[in-house]
Amino acid sequence: SQQGEEDPQALSIQEGENATMNCSYKTSINNLQWYRQNSGRGLVHLILIRSNEREKHSGRLRVTLDTSKKSSSLLITASRAADTASYFCATDVGAGGGADGLTFGKGTHLIIQP
Amino acid sequence: DAGITQSPRYKITETGRQVTLMCHQTWSHSYMFWYRQDLGHGLRLIYYSAAADITDKGEVPDGYVVSRSKTENFPLTLESATRSQTSVYFCASSHGGQPQHFGDGTRLSIL
Repeated sequence: SQQGEEDPQALSIQEGENATMNCSYKTSINNLQWYRQNSGRGLVHLILIRSNEREKHSGRLRVTLDTSKKSSSLLITASRAADTASYFCATDVGAGGGADGLTFGKGTHLIIQP
Repeated sequence: DAGITQSPRYKITETGRQVTLMCHQTWSHSYMFWYRQDLGHGLRLIYYSAAADITDKGEVPDGYVVSRSKTENFPLTLESATRSQTSVYFCASSHGGQPQHFGDGTRLSIL
């Protein structure tokens, strides 16, 4: 069953603008992670936010987590053409602390127009 | 180079045949995972392994077999391939609760 659902499914913006993607999930989590996937490549980890954290930053990335609403958002500021990719949220819900795999959403396809 | 490699990158086979997808990592990560990625479903966990000789079923294990005789290798076998197993398969590894590192995938087509 799908744990996370990203919104929107697709997003097209101009270079330099900010991009916001949202993720909703269904059950309690240990942590939530965001990954990027370029066309034809594997997923690359971007950022991890634990269930007791509300906001986290990494470079141009800002992630928020609202456990009461079971939702997270990923903000990419000052977008670049190289940010064009699919973005996935993934939740760690198991008792194994991530050792028993992640549950991924279906992803948001982000296109940055030059 | 350190990393995680999958082979082959592309594979075409016929229904009923056995096919094995290989995954090799050089980080000595304890944990390894197999996912499949399909349009409309995102990534779904097939099998995972906490260490050599320890494997567990994920969300969609039917029709697949795994083994882990060595820490660095985690092959995935389709014993009798079916068209519904046409997909892109990703292997990943991690240190327990740490973020996962993914290979570039194997695109498998079953005719």
